[in-house]
Amino acid sequence: GAVVSQHPSWVICKSGTSVKIECRSLDFQATTMFWYRQFPKQSLMLMATSNEGSKATYEQGVEKDKFLINHASLTLSTLTVTSAHPEDSSFYICSARGGGRAPGLSSTDTQYFGPGTRLTVL
Amino acid sequence: GENVEQHPSTLSVQEGDSAVIKCTYSDSASNYFPWYKQELGKRPQLIIDIRSNVGEKKDQRIAVTLNKTAKHFSLHITETQPEDSAVYFCAASMGTGNQFYFGTGTSLTVIP
Repeated sequence: GAVVSQHPSWVICKSGTSVKIECRSLDFQATTMFWYRQFPKQSLMLMATSNEGSKATYEQGVEKDKFLINHASLTLSTLTVTSAHPEDSSFYICSARGGGRAPGLSSTDTQYFGPGTRLTVL
Repeated sequence: GENVEQHPSTLSVQEGDSAVIKCTYSDSASNYFPWYKQELGKRPQLIIDIRSNVGEKKDQRIAVTLNKTAKHFSLHITETQPEDSAVYFCAASMGTGNQFYFGTGTSLTVIP
Protein backbone atom coordinates (compact mmCIF):
# COMPACT_ATOMS: atom_id res chain seq x y z
CA GLY A 1 0.00 0.00 0.00
CA ALA A 2 0.82 3.74 -0.07
CA VAL A 3 2.15 3.88 -3.61
CA VAL A 4 2.61 7.21 -5.32
CA SER A 5 3.52 7.38 -8.97
CA GLN A 6 4.85 10.29 -10.95
CA HIS A 7 5.01 10.79 -14.68
CA PRO A 8 7.17 11.43 -16.56
CA SER A 9 10.30 10.36 -14.72
CA TRP A 10 12.54 12.40 -16.98
CA VAL A 11 11.80 15.15 -19.45
CA ILE A 12 13.94 17.34 -21.64
CA CYS A 13 12.34 20.36 -23.24
CA LYS A 14 13.23 23.52 -25.08
CA SER A 15 13.21 26.88 -23.38
CA GLY A 16 9.80 28.54 -23.58
CA THR A 17 7.74 25.38 -23.68
CA SER A 18 5.46 24.08 -20.94
CA VAL A 19 5.80 20.77 -19.16
CA LYS A 20 3.14 18.91 -17.20
CA ILE A 21 4.03 16.49 -14.42
CA GLU A 22 1.46 14.11 -12.99
CA CYS A 23 1.36 12.74 -9.46
CA ARG A 24 -0.98 9.89 -8.63
CA SER A 25 -1.79 8.03 -5.45
CA LEU A 26 -2.41 4.50 -6.67
CA ASP A 27 -3.96 2.74 -3.72
CA PHE A 28 -5.26 5.43 -1.41
CA GLN A 29 -7.11 8.70 -1.54
CA ALA A 30 -4.85 11.69 -1.11
CA THR A 31 -6.66 14.66 0.33
CA THR A 32 -3.44 16.64 0.27
CA MET A 33 -0.55 16.54 -2.13
CA PHE A 34 2.69 18.45 -1.85
CA TRP A 35 5.08 19.53 -4.57
CA TYR A 36 8.78 19.84 -3.83
CA ARG A 37 11.82 20.88 -5.74
CA GLN A 38 15.20 19.39 -4.96
CA PHE A 39 18.59 20.59 -6.15
CA PRO A 40 21.60 18.23 -6.15
CA LYS A 41 22.79 17.38 -2.66
CA GLN A 42 20.20 19.64 -1.08
CA SER A 43 17.09 19.19 0.94
CA LEU A 44 13.51 19.17 -0.26
CA MET A 45 12.11 22.63 -0.87
CA LEU A 46 8.34 22.81 -0.57
CA MET A 47 6.80 24.67 -3.48
CA ALA A 48 3.10 24.31 -2.79
CA THR A 49 0.43 22.41 -0.92
CA SER A 50 -2.52 21.14 -2.89
CA ASN A 51 -5.86 20.12 -1.44
CA GLU A 52 -8.37 18.32 -3.59
CA GLY A 53 -10.94 20.66 -5.05
CA SER A 54 -9.35 23.88 -3.89
CA LYS A 55 -6.61 26.23 -4.99
CA ALA A 56 -3.07 25.36 -4.11
CA THR A 57 -1.21 27.23 -1.40
CA TYR A 58 2.16 28.40 -2.64
CA GLU A 59 5.24 28.98 -0.55
CA GLN A 60 6.81 32.39 -0.48
CA GLY A 61 8.92 33.04 -3.54
CA VAL A 62 7.19 30.46 -5.74
CA GLU A 63 5.44 32.00 -8.74
CA LYS A 64 1.95 30.57 -8.93
CA ASP A 65 1.50 31.71 -12.53
CA LYS A 66 4.62 29.83 -13.55
CA PHE A 67 4.02 26.66 -11.57
CA LEU A 68 0.38 25.78 -12.13
CA ILE A 69 -1.00 23.16 -9.79
CA ASN A 70 -4.26 21.33 -10.24
CA HIS A 71 -5.69 18.78 -7.81
CA ALA A 72 -8.89 17.77 -9.50
CA SER A 73 -9.38 14.40 -7.84
CA LEU A 74 -8.38 12.53 -4.72
CA THR A 75 -5.82 10.54 -6.66
CA LEU A 76 -4.31 13.02 -9.10
CA SER A 77 -2.44 16.29 -8.89
CA THR A 78 -0.58 17.97 -11.73
CA LEU A 79 2.21 20.51 -11.82
CA THR A 80 2.67 22.47 -15.03
CA VAL A 81 5.87 24.43 -15.48
CA THR A 82 4.92 27.15 -17.93
CA SER A 83 7.37 28.85 -20.25
CA ALA A 84 10.20 26.80 -18.83
CA HIS A 85 13.72 28.24 -18.69
CA PRO A 86 17.06 26.58 -17.96
CA GLU A 87 16.94 27.79 -14.36
CA ASP A 88 13.80 25.68 -13.90
CA SER A 89 15.86 22.56 -14.47
CA SER A 90 15.59 20.52 -11.30
CA PHE A 91 14.25 17.37 -9.67
CA TYR A 92 10.55 17.77 -8.89
CA ILE A 93 8.99 15.42 -6.35
CA CYS A 94 5.42 15.13 -5.22
CA SER A 95 4.13 13.56 -2.06
CA ALA A 96 0.67 12.53 -0.97
CA ARG A 97 -0.96 12.33 2.38
CA GLY A 98 -3.83 9.95 2.97
CA GLY A 99 -7.17 11.28 4.02
CA GLY A 100 -8.46 8.12 5.55
CA ARG A 101 -7.75 4.52 6.39
CA ALA A 102 -6.31 2.42 3.62
CA PRO A 103 -4.19 -0.72 3.53
CA GLY A 104 -0.54 0.03 4.04
CA LEU A 105 -0.99 3.56 5.36
CA SER A 106 0.74 4.05 8.67
CA SER A 107 -1.26 7.15 9.43
CA THR A 108 -2.82 10.22 7.90
CA ASP A 109 0.17 12.27 9.06
CA THR A 110 2.69 10.55 6.83
CA GLN A 111 3.63 11.78 3.40
CA TYR A 112 4.45 9.23 0.74
CA PHE A 113 6.70 10.41 -2.04
CA GLY A 114 6.58 9.85 -5.76
CA PRO A 115 9.74 8.78 -7.60
CA GLY A 116 10.40 12.28 -8.87
CA THR A 117 10.69 13.92 -12.26
CA ARG A 118 13.98 15.21 -13.55
CA LEU A 119 13.37 18.25 -15.73
CA THR A 120 16.07 19.54 -18.03
CA VAL A 121 15.36 22.74 -19.95
CA LEU A 122 17.69 23.41 -22.84
CA GLY B 1 7.48 29.25 11.45
CA GLU B 2 9.18 26.00 12.29
CA ASN B 3 12.94 25.68 11.82
CA VAL B 4 14.56 22.24 11.72
CA GLU B 5 18.31 21.85 11.99
CA GLN B 6 20.10 18.59 11.26
CA HIS B 7 23.61 17.44 12.11
CA PRO B 8 25.99 16.22 10.92
CA SER B 9 25.76 16.96 7.21
CA THR B 10 28.04 14.04 6.40
CA LEU B 11 28.81 10.92 8.40
CA SER B 12 31.11 8.01 7.67
CA VAL B 13 31.10 4.87 9.78
CA GLN B 14 32.64 1.44 9.55
CA GLU B 15 30.33 -1.41 8.75
CA GLY B 16 28.89 -2.79 11.95
CA ASP B 17 29.25 0.43 13.89
CA SER B 18 26.36 2.64 14.95
CA ALA B 19 25.32 5.91 13.36
CA VAL B 20 23.49 8.75 15.07
CA ILE B 21 21.88 11.72 13.35
CA LYS B 22 20.45 14.57 15.38
CA CYS B 23 17.76 17.14 14.64
CA THR B 24 16.39 20.08 16.57
CA TYR B 25 13.17 21.96 16.01
CA SER B 26 11.96 25.33 17.16
CA ASP B 27 8.17 25.18 17.42
CA SER B 28 6.81 23.35 20.44
CA ALA B 29 3.54 22.81 18.52
CA SER B 30 5.25 20.25 16.28
CA ASN B 31 4.05 16.81 17.22
CA TYR B 32 5.01 14.46 14.40
CA PHE B 33 8.60 13.63 13.43
CA PRO B 34 9.29 11.33 10.46
CA TRP B 35 12.65 10.23 9.12
CA TYR B 36 13.23 9.59 5.44
CA LYS B 37 16.01 7.78 3.59
CA GLN B 38 16.83 8.89 0.08
CA GLU B 39 19.17 6.98 -2.20
CA LEU B 40 20.75 8.80 -5.12
CA GLY B 41 18.18 9.67 -7.76
CA LYS B 42 15.35 7.99 -5.90
CA ARG B 43 12.40 9.03 -3.86
CA PRO B 44 12.57 9.66 -0.11
CA GLN B 45 11.33 6.59 1.74
CA LEU B 46 9.83 6.75 5.21
CA ILE B 47 11.92 4.60 7.55
CA ILE B 48 10.51 5.49 10.95
CA ASP B 49 8.39 8.14 12.61
CA ILE B 50 7.50 9.22 16.11
CA ARG B 51 4.80 11.28 17.72
CA SER B 52 5.19 13.68 20.57
CA ASN B 53 3.40 11.43 23.05
CA VAL B 54 6.17 8.84 22.71
CA GLY B 55 9.79 9.18 23.81
CA GLU B 56 11.32 6.35 21.82
CA LYS B 57 10.42 4.01 19.01
CA LYS B 58 12.39 1.11 17.61
CA ASP B 59 12.14 -0.96 14.44
CA GLN B 60 14.84 -3.62 14.16
CA ARG B 61 18.16 -1.78 13.67
CA ILE B 62 16.57 1.66 13.57
CA ALA B 63 15.41 3.71 16.53
CA VAL B 64 14.27 7.25 17.06
CA THR B 65 14.31 9.17 20.32
CA LEU B 66 12.46 12.37 21.10
CA ASN B 67 13.10 14.90 23.82
CA LYS B 68 10.19 17.33 23.78
CA THR B 69 11.62 19.54 26.48
CA ALA B 70 14.85 20.10 24.62
CA LYS B 71 13.07 20.00 21.24
CA HIS B 72 15.38 17.49 19.68
CA PHE B 73 15.06 14.06 18.16
CA SER B 74 17.63 11.60 16.94
CA LEU B 75 17.90 8.68 14.55
CA HIS B 76 19.99 5.72 15.66
CA ILE B 77 21.10 3.00 13.26
CA THR B 78 22.88 0.02 14.81
CA GLU B 79 24.99 -2.64 13.08
CA THR B 80 25.26 -0.50 9.98
CA GLN B 81 25.49 -2.14 6.59
CA PRO B 82 26.70 -0.75 3.24
CA GLU B 83 23.12 -0.60 2.02
CA ASP B 84 22.38 1.93 4.76
CA SER B 85 24.47 4.42 2.79
CA ALA B 86 22.11 7.19 1.67
CA VAL B 87 20.96 10.68 2.57
CA TYR B 88 18.72 10.84 5.62
CA PHE B 89 16.24 13.65 6.24
CA CYS B 90 14.43 14.46 9.43
CA ALA B 91 11.22 16.46 9.43
CA ALA B 92 8.83 18.07 11.86
CA SER B 93 5.13 18.66 11.42
CA MET B 94 2.25 20.01 13.42
CA GLY B 95 0.14 17.04 12.51
CA THR B 96 -2.48 16.03 10.04
CA GLY B 97 -2.81 18.36 7.10
CA ASN B 98 0.22 20.41 7.94
CA GLN B 99 3.36 20.67 5.91
CA PHE B 100 6.64 18.99 6.79
CA TYR B 101 9.64 21.10 7.67
CA PHE B 102 12.69 19.17 6.53
CA GLY B 103 16.19 19.20 7.88
CA THR B 104 19.07 19.78 5.50
CA GLY B 105 19.97 16.11 5.27
CA THR B 106 22.81 13.85 6.38
CA SER B 107 24.83 11.90 3.86
CA LEU B 108 25.70 8.61 5.53
CA THR B 109 28.46 6.41 4.13
CA VAL B 110 29.00 2.96 5.56
CA ILE B 111 32.49 1.72 4.77
CA PRO B 112 32.71 -2.05 4.21
